[in-house]
Amino acid sequence: DADVTQTPRNRITKTGKRIMLECSQTKGHDRMYWYRQDPGLGLRLIYYSFDVKDINKGEISDGYSVSRQAQAKFSLSLESAIPNQTALYFCATSDSRQGSDTQYFGPGTRLTVL
Amino acid sequence: KNEVEQSPQNLTAQEGEFITINCSYSVGISALHWLQQHPGGGIVSLFMLSSGKKKHGRLIATINIQEKHSSLHITASHPRDSAVYICAVSSNTGNQFYFGTGTSLTVIP
Repeated sequence: DADVTQTPRNRITKTGKRIMLECSQTKGHDRMYWYRQDPGLGLRLIYYSFDVKDINKGEISDGYSVSRQAQAKFSLSLESAIPNQTALYFCATSDSRQGSDTQYFGPGTRLTVL
Repeated sequence: KNEVEQSPQNLTAQEGEFITINCSYSVGISALHWLQQHPGGGIVSLFMLSSGKKKHGRLIATINIQEKHSSLHITASHPRDSAVYICAVSSNTGNQFYFGTGTSLTVIP
Protein backbone atom coordinates (compact mmCIF):
# COMPACT_ATOMS: atom_id res chain seq x y z
CA ASP A 1 0.00 0.00 0.00
CA ALA A 2 1.16 3.50 -0.81
CA ASP A 3 2.46 5.55 2.11
CA VAL A 4 0.88 8.78 0.88
CA THR A 5 -2.52 8.55 -0.77
CA GLN A 6 -4.70 11.16 -2.39
CA THR A 7 -8.38 11.07 -3.22
CA PRO A 8 -9.81 11.54 -5.71
CA ARG A 9 -7.17 10.87 -8.37
CA ASN A 10 -9.15 12.70 -11.01
CA ARG A 11 -12.00 15.19 -10.72
CA ILE A 12 -13.92 17.28 -13.17
CA THR A 13 -16.10 20.00 -11.71
CA LYS A 14 -17.84 23.21 -12.67
CA THR A 15 -17.06 26.81 -11.85
CA GLY A 16 -18.41 27.81 -8.45
CA LYS A 17 -18.53 24.33 -6.96
CA ARG A 18 -16.87 23.49 -3.65
CA ILE A 19 -14.23 20.79 -3.94
CA MET A 20 -12.24 18.93 -1.32
CA LEU A 21 -9.07 17.00 -2.04
CA GLU A 22 -7.93 14.61 0.64
CA CYS A 23 -4.52 13.36 1.61
CA SER A 24 -3.67 10.57 4.02
CA GLN A 25 -0.33 9.17 5.08
CA THR A 26 0.82 6.11 6.99
CA LYS A 27 4.43 7.24 7.35
CA GLY A 28 3.94 8.84 10.76
CA HIS A 29 5.37 12.11 9.48
CA ASP A 30 4.49 15.34 11.25
CA ARG A 31 4.77 17.70 8.28
CA MET A 32 2.38 17.82 5.34
CA TYR A 33 2.19 20.00 2.26
CA TRP A 34 -0.12 20.81 -0.64
CA TYR A 35 1.33 21.82 -4.03
CA ARG A 36 -0.07 22.51 -7.44
CA GLN A 37 1.71 21.85 -10.70
CA ASP A 38 0.94 23.65 -13.93
CA PRO A 39 2.49 23.04 -17.36
CA GLY A 40 5.67 25.07 -17.76
CA LEU A 41 5.76 26.02 -14.08
CA GLY A 42 7.45 24.38 -11.16
CA LEU A 43 5.56 22.96 -8.22
CA ARG A 44 4.12 25.78 -6.14
CA LEU A 45 3.31 25.55 -2.46
CA ILE A 46 -0.31 26.24 -1.48
CA TYR A 47 -0.34 25.44 2.25
CA TYR A 48 1.76 23.50 4.70
CA SER A 49 1.33 22.16 8.20
CA PHE A 50 4.07 21.20 10.64
CA ASP A 51 1.71 19.74 13.22
CA VAL A 52 -1.99 19.19 13.81
CA LYS A 53 -2.45 22.70 15.20
CA ASP A 54 -0.11 24.41 12.77
CA ILE A 55 -1.32 25.75 9.41
CA ASN A 56 0.72 28.07 7.19
CA LYS A 57 0.06 29.78 3.91
CA GLY A 58 2.35 29.06 1.03
CA GLU A 59 3.13 30.98 -2.12
CA ILE A 60 -0.35 30.71 -3.68
CA SER A 61 -2.93 30.23 -0.93
CA ASP A 62 -5.63 32.57 -2.29
CA GLY A 63 -8.76 30.66 -3.22
CA TYR A 64 -7.77 27.64 -1.11
CA SER A 65 -8.21 26.50 2.48
CA VAL A 66 -6.91 23.50 4.38
CA SER A 67 -7.73 21.38 7.38
CA ARG A 68 -5.37 19.16 9.34
CA GLN A 69 -7.86 16.79 10.90
CA ALA A 70 -5.24 14.50 12.38
CA GLN A 71 -1.52 13.97 12.01
CA ALA A 72 -2.21 11.57 9.15
CA LYS A 73 -4.78 13.66 7.26
CA PHE A 74 -4.50 16.99 5.45
CA SER A 75 -7.35 18.20 3.25
CA LEU A 76 -7.35 20.95 0.65
CA SER A 77 -10.57 22.78 -0.19
CA LEU A 78 -11.51 25.02 -3.06
CA GLU A 79 -14.49 26.97 -1.74
CA SER A 80 -15.63 28.17 -5.15
CA ALA A 81 -13.65 26.57 -7.94
CA ILE A 82 -12.57 28.62 -10.95
CA PRO A 83 -11.05 27.45 -14.26
CA ASN A 84 -7.54 28.72 -13.48
CA GLN A 85 -7.45 26.25 -10.59
CA THR A 86 -7.28 23.49 -13.16
CA ALA A 87 -4.00 21.77 -12.33
CA LEU A 88 -2.30 18.70 -10.94
CA TYR A 89 -2.32 18.78 -7.14
CA PHE A 90 0.21 16.97 -4.99
CA CYS A 91 0.27 16.24 -1.31
CA ALA A 92 3.63 15.58 0.34
CA THR A 93 4.95 14.69 3.77
CA SER A 94 8.23 15.01 5.61
CA ASP A 95 9.53 14.05 9.03
CA SER A 96 11.18 16.74 11.14
CA ARG A 97 12.76 14.06 13.34
CA GLN A 98 14.82 12.61 10.50
CA GLY A 99 17.11 15.62 10.33
CA SER A 100 16.41 15.96 6.63
CA ASP A 101 13.60 17.63 4.77
CA THR A 102 13.15 14.99 2.11
CA GLN A 103 9.56 15.05 0.99
CA TYR A 104 7.46 12.07 0.02
CA PHE A 105 4.80 12.76 -2.56
CA GLY A 106 1.37 11.34 -3.13
CA PRO A 107 0.33 10.21 -6.61
CA GLY A 108 -1.40 13.49 -7.45
CA THR A 109 -4.96 14.60 -8.15
CA ARG A 110 -5.79 15.92 -11.57
CA LEU A 111 -8.47 18.60 -11.19
CA THR A 112 -10.31 20.15 -14.10
CA VAL A 113 -12.62 23.12 -13.52
CA LEU A 114 -14.95 23.82 -16.43
CA LYS B 1 12.57 35.68 -11.51
CA ASN B 2 12.65 32.02 -10.54
CA GLU B 3 14.69 31.12 -7.52
CA VAL B 4 15.64 27.83 -9.24
CA GLU B 5 16.58 27.54 -12.89
CA GLN B 6 17.16 24.28 -14.73
CA SER B 7 18.71 23.52 -18.09
CA PRO B 8 18.01 22.14 -20.53
CA GLN B 9 14.21 22.18 -20.48
CA ASN B 10 14.06 19.21 -22.83
CA LEU B 11 16.66 16.59 -23.61
CA THR B 12 16.65 13.65 -26.00
CA ALA B 13 19.44 11.10 -25.83
CA GLN B 14 20.35 7.77 -27.34
CA GLU B 15 20.46 4.79 -25.06
CA GLY B 16 23.87 4.50 -23.45
CA GLU B 17 24.71 8.20 -23.56
CA PHE B 18 26.00 10.15 -20.57
CA ILE B 19 23.46 12.78 -19.53
CA THR B 20 23.88 15.97 -17.52
CA ILE B 21 21.10 18.17 -16.19
CA ASN B 22 22.00 21.47 -14.57
CA CYS B 23 20.41 23.47 -11.77
CA SER B 24 21.25 26.97 -10.56
CA TYR B 25 19.66 28.71 -7.62
CA SER B 26 19.69 32.21 -6.23
CA VAL B 27 18.70 31.80 -2.57
CA GLY B 28 20.54 30.56 0.46
CA ILE B 29 19.77 26.94 1.00
CA SER B 30 19.93 24.27 3.64
CA ALA B 31 19.71 21.49 1.06
CA LEU B 32 19.13 20.77 -2.60
CA HIS B 33 16.91 17.98 -3.86
CA TRP B 34 16.66 16.12 -7.13
CA LEU B 35 13.26 14.61 -7.87
CA GLN B 36 12.04 12.34 -10.64
CA GLN B 37 8.54 12.59 -12.04
CA HIS B 38 7.38 9.64 -14.10
CA PRO B 39 5.05 9.96 -17.08
CA GLY B 40 2.18 8.81 -14.87
CA GLY B 41 2.77 11.84 -12.66
CA GLY B 42 4.25 10.28 -9.52
CA ILE B 43 7.18 12.11 -7.93
CA VAL B 44 10.01 10.41 -6.08
CA SER B 45 12.98 11.89 -4.32
CA LEU B 46 16.33 10.85 -5.83
CA PHE B 47 18.85 12.80 -3.80
CA MET B 48 19.14 15.32 -1.03
CA LEU B 49 22.52 17.00 -0.74
CA SER B 50 24.05 19.97 0.96
CA SER B 51 27.64 19.53 -0.18
CA GLY B 52 29.87 17.43 -2.38
CA LYS B 53 28.60 14.48 -4.33
CA LYS B 54 26.23 11.54 -3.98
CA LYS B 55 25.92 8.43 -6.11
CA HIS B 56 23.11 5.93 -6.40
CA GLY B 57 23.46 3.32 -9.10
CA ARG B 58 23.86 5.12 -12.42
CA LEU B 59 22.83 8.47 -10.97
CA ILE B 60 25.31 10.99 -9.61
CA ALA B 61 24.45 14.37 -8.07
CA THR B 62 26.95 17.10 -7.33
CA ILE B 63 26.64 20.49 -5.74
CA ASN B 64 28.89 23.54 -5.64
CA ILE B 65 27.68 25.75 -2.81
CA GLN B 66 29.92 28.69 -3.72
CA GLU B 67 28.65 28.75 -7.30
CA LYS B 68 25.06 27.88 -6.29
CA HIS B 69 24.97 25.14 -8.87
CA SER B 70 24.13 21.47 -8.96
CA SER B 71 24.28 18.82 -11.65
CA LEU B 72 22.53 15.51 -12.04
CA HIS B 73 24.37 12.96 -14.17
CA ILE B 74 23.03 9.72 -15.59
CA THR B 75 25.58 7.24 -16.85
CA ALA B 76 24.73 4.59 -19.48
CA SER B 77 21.25 6.03 -19.96
CA HIS B 78 18.35 3.69 -20.57
CA PRO B 79 14.81 4.25 -21.91
CA ARG B 80 13.43 3.65 -18.43
CA ASP B 81 15.27 6.82 -17.33
CA SER B 82 12.81 8.82 -19.44
CA ALA B 83 11.07 11.16 -17.01
CA VAL B 84 10.98 14.75 -15.84
CA TYR B 85 13.80 15.61 -13.43
CA ILE B 86 13.08 18.40 -10.99
CA CYS B 87 15.57 20.38 -8.94
CA ALA B 88 14.31 21.86 -5.67
CA VAL B 89 15.94 23.77 -2.84
CA SER B 90 14.93 24.24 0.76
CA SER B 91 15.60 27.78 1.88
CA ASN B 92 17.76 28.40 4.93
CA THR B 93 15.72 31.48 5.88
CA GLY B 94 12.35 29.91 6.39
CA ASN B 95 10.24 26.90 5.73
CA GLN B 96 10.19 27.34 1.98
CA PHE B 97 10.77 24.97 -0.87
CA TYR B 98 11.50 26.32 -4.34
CA PHE B 99 11.18 24.14 -7.40
CA GLY B 100 12.63 24.34 -10.87
CA THR B 101 10.33 23.80 -13.83
CA GLY B 102 11.89 20.46 -14.62
CA THR B 103 13.91 18.87 -17.40
CA SER B 104 12.04 16.45 -19.62
CA LEU B 105 14.36 13.58 -20.59
CA THR B 106 13.62 11.10 -23.35
CA VAL B 107 16.04 8.23 -23.91
CA ILE B 108 15.63 6.53 -27.27
CA PRO B 109 16.51 2.84 -27.68
